[in-house]
Amino acid sequence: GNSVTQMEGPVTLSEEAFLTINCTYTATGYPSLFWYVQYPGEGLQLLLKATKADDKGSNKGFEATYRKETTSFHLEKGSVQVSDSAVYFCALKKERGFKTIFGAGTRLFVKA
Amino acid sequence: AAGVIQSPRHLIKEKRETATLKCYPIPRHDTVYWYQQGPGQDPQFLISFYEKMQSDKGSIPDRFSAQQFSDYHSELNMSSLELGDSALYFCASSLVVGVREETNTEAFFGQGTRLTVV
Repeated sequence: GNSVTQMEGPVTLSEEAFLTINCTYTATGYPSLFWYVQYPGEGLQLLLKATKADDKGSNKGFEATYRKETTSFHLEKGSVQVSDSAVYFCALKKERGFKTIFGAGTRLFVKA
Repeated sequence: AAGVIQSPRHLIKEKRETATLKCYPIPRHDTVYWYQQGPGQDPQFLISFYEKMQSDKGSIPDRFSAQQFSDYHSELNMSSLELGDSALYFCASSLVVGVREETNTEAFFGQGTRLTVV
């Protein structure tokens, strides 16, 4: 079946540190891949996306590259800020109309 | 830009009561999804509708039912509520475009309805 696996949290970093959150997926065909972010008490916001192999999604300093050969979509940011503290969900979505499947989420704490 | 609207934002019910959650998708979106997110959990897919027909079903209890109306809004009806139903319920919508798999649009999520069963 289709599934998403992401690294367990929480991840605790100091401000300006480098962030990597690993995500791998299992799916047939060619899914689209997403990172969603959820700030405390809020809903899910789309952070970035990639729809085909070798695409790089980027937004707000975050980046992730769709690697079909390793079935991965790792999230990176060069210098995190306290305001980046949130839960990050890796997700995939297959053909049109198909539901979005989420990973377990990784909580990020950034200390000043 | 218009987003997915959910109502109410917060709801408190007693055990064995009934609750109805509403979702208004982004205009022209034709697919609606419902998710349940327990404390500290990832969103779990419940059910989806495409063009007013159920398109997929996940871990939705038999006590719950849902439908999509002619104006594309959707309602999730929850009966015989249990303490374990306390969660954040998200609705999302997307648009099916084109005929090829790669024309795949992401789902846009509402702010959620926080249901507390006491």
